[in-house]
Amino acid sequence: NAGVTQTPKFQVLKTGQSMTLQCAQDMNHEYMSWYRQDPGMGLRLIHYSVGAGITDQGEVPNGYNVSRSTTEDFPLRLLSAAPSQTSVYFCASSYSGQGVMSSYNEQFFGPGTRLTVL
Amino acid sequence: RKEVEQDPGPFNVPEGATVAFNCTYSNSASQSFFWYRQDCRKEPKLLMSVYSSGNEDGRFTAQLNRASQYISLLIRDSKLSDSATYLCVVNPNTGGFKTIFGAGTRLFVKA
Repeated sequence: NAGVTQTPKFQVLKTGQSMTLQCAQDMNHEYMSWYRQDPGMGLRLIHYSVGAGITDQGEVPNGYNVSRSTTEDFPLRLLSAAPSQTSVYFCASSYSGQGVMSSYNEQFFGPGTRLTVL
Repeated sequence: RKEVEQDPGPFNVPEGATVAFNCTYSNSASQSFFWYRQDCRKEPKLLMSVYSSGNEDGRFTAQLNRASQYISLLIRDSKLSDSATYLCVVNPNTGGFKTIFGAGTRLFVKA
């Protein structure tokens, strides 16, 4: 199994450009999520999905869109990049476990995308 | 006050030392707790879950103190390979899918 894969690993954008960060997992996990990690702030949840066709906002959703057309893929779109979106982005997946919103299960993270917005 | 707080460190310890990290959380209704490890420029990986009764995995021991709202991680006989950032993770049980990550505690183990 490849686990959770992310592309690209590095990206530099100019302010106002748009782009899509790709995330895929081959573990048949129902849950997928996107985080950003900034120095001194820990990982913050951007958007998440509990299954194909279902997405919801996390703590810092503004400026980002997601969709979940398949179980495997969960792309993150930056609509109009801003310097404040310079960060490291991690995609994660996990089993749903017992119950709809079980949080007892391990999250598996992709290797991250390092994004710089100039 | 942050929902999950950790001492950022860094903790600098010699090989063989015992080191402990604490993490405090603000929501008393929080139900599940974890420690993740993150190596430099890598993704976080689960180190261990934290159970109410405390749990041990080799040189690592995790404990939960609900009354004082903190969890701890104890590392015995530190190895050079333990050098990493340790992330405290809490589910505040506020409904929905929400997992709160602490900013992490940096550990350096030196020969």
